[in-house]
Amino acid sequence: GEDVEQSLFLSVREGDSSVINCTYTDSSSTYLYWYKQEPGAGLQLLTYIFSNMDMKQDQRLTVLLNKKDKHLSLRIADTQTGDSAIYFCAESLLSGGYNKLIFGAGTRLAVHP
Amino acid sequence: ETGVTQSPTHLIKTRGQQVTLRCSSQSGHNTVSWYQQALGQGPQFIFQYYREEENGRGNFPPRFSGLQFPNYSSELNVNALELDDSALYLCASTEGGGELFFGEGSRLTVL
Repeated sequence: GEDVEQSLFLSVREGDSSVINCTYTDSSSTYLYWYKQEPGAGLQLLTYIFSNMDMKQDQRLTVLLNKKDKHLSLRIADTQTGDSAIYFCAESLLSGGYNKLIFGAGTRLAVHP
Repeated sequence: ETGVTQSPTHLIKTRGQQVTLRCSSQSGHNTVSWYQQALGQGPQFIFQYYREEENGRGNFPPRFSGLQFPNYSSELNVNALELDDSALYLCASTEGGGELFFGEGSRLTVL
């Protein structure tokens, strides 16, 4: 089946690390993505990881992938108030010659002083 | 700025009406997909167009239809609007199945 699950809400203090978790069900995913959405805006691609990798680091962002458990996480180091947004995990599935993204429901990150 | 532009940004319709949403893809991108994002949910795949042909479709009824033009711009049409069609409609373009670039979306309210 095609399903992506995320916790709905995370609250952190400014300067701490945030960890957003995601689980997915389809083992044929090619890429896994993290998107950020601010109020009233579209989706901003933050980072992605290929399914044969287990870690990717990009400045303050670290993505960990446990393919055996179908678990993906996004760590944001030194979280700032500007990081407050909804974060979506998505898996890319190749089906019938086309790629589609399956999104989770999003995790709302609230950063407080 | 992703280079993907959508219009209109906001619109209000009543039940039973029809709506057309438009998307200009990033230059050189020959594949466009559309997603529906209901309030409080993640985006859901509607369909994808490649070189003017629909080549993939999600779990949406036939009253959701689309077009892609020779310049790779695209339209999403929804007939017989229902209240549950109220959502943010996102267009995304890509070239060769690479990274998807999303527009800012068209927010549709059905009364």
